[in-house]
Amino acid sequence: AQSVTQLDSQVPVFEEAPVELRCNYSSSVSVYLFWYVQYPNQGLQLLLKYLSGSTLVESINGFEAEFNKSQTSFHLRKPSVHISDTAEYFCAVRSNNAGNMLTFGGGTRLMVKP
Amino acid sequence: DVKVTQSSRYLVKRTGEKVFLECVQDMDHENMFWYRQDPGLGLRLIYFSYDVKMKEKGDIPEGYSVSREKKERFSLILESASTNQTSMYLCASSFRNSGTHEQYFGPGTRLTVT
Repeated sequence: AQSVTQLDSQVPVFEEAPVELRCNYSSSVSVYLFWYVQYPNQGLQLLLKYLSGSTLVESINGFEAEFNKSQTSFHLRKPSVHISDTAEYFCAVRSNNAGNMLTFGGGTRLMVKP
Repeated sequence: DVKVTQSSRYLVKRTGEKVFLECVQDMDHENMFWYRQDPGLGLRLIYFSYDVKMKEKGDIPEGYSVSREKKERFSLILESASTNQTSMYLCASSFRNSGTHEQYFGPGTRLTVT
């Protein structure tokens, strides 16, 4: 069975400061990793994903995440956040023996303050 | 653009009522999913379907059933609503054999059972 742990339920940060949202997973087989974002009163949108290849993946709005196999982590970072980044962020994992099913972490609420 | 729509954004029902939540996708996706989202617990899979009339239980199927009579539509049914089913319900869809493994989400239905 796979599981995903997001260590911080809430992360308050000032605008233009850097941020890291942590994600650790447990799985005994190869995995695919995802970060989804949920803006207020909306559904989830895919932010970025790791399937294979380079362990550093980037989104179009300045976020990046690095797959670390030895530490079973997929932390999300942004060097300078904006008010519009305020949202809930979900880490998800899919094992290559789990069909099409994703396992989600508990979510991290990023609150960017002016 | 992929579009996943859900029949209601907000729903209030009484204990014991039968509740139908409807989800429609317009991308000819084989897979469809129902999740519930609760604070601190992230998203938990209730049921998914990989084809018309096919269904598989997820992590928390108790108290729910589903119906998929047409490829584009996936219904979640609460046979006898209870207060502990008060939650946000999210529908998602994906291709079965997509290399991107991405799930597309609807905006959610916030159900309150009184």
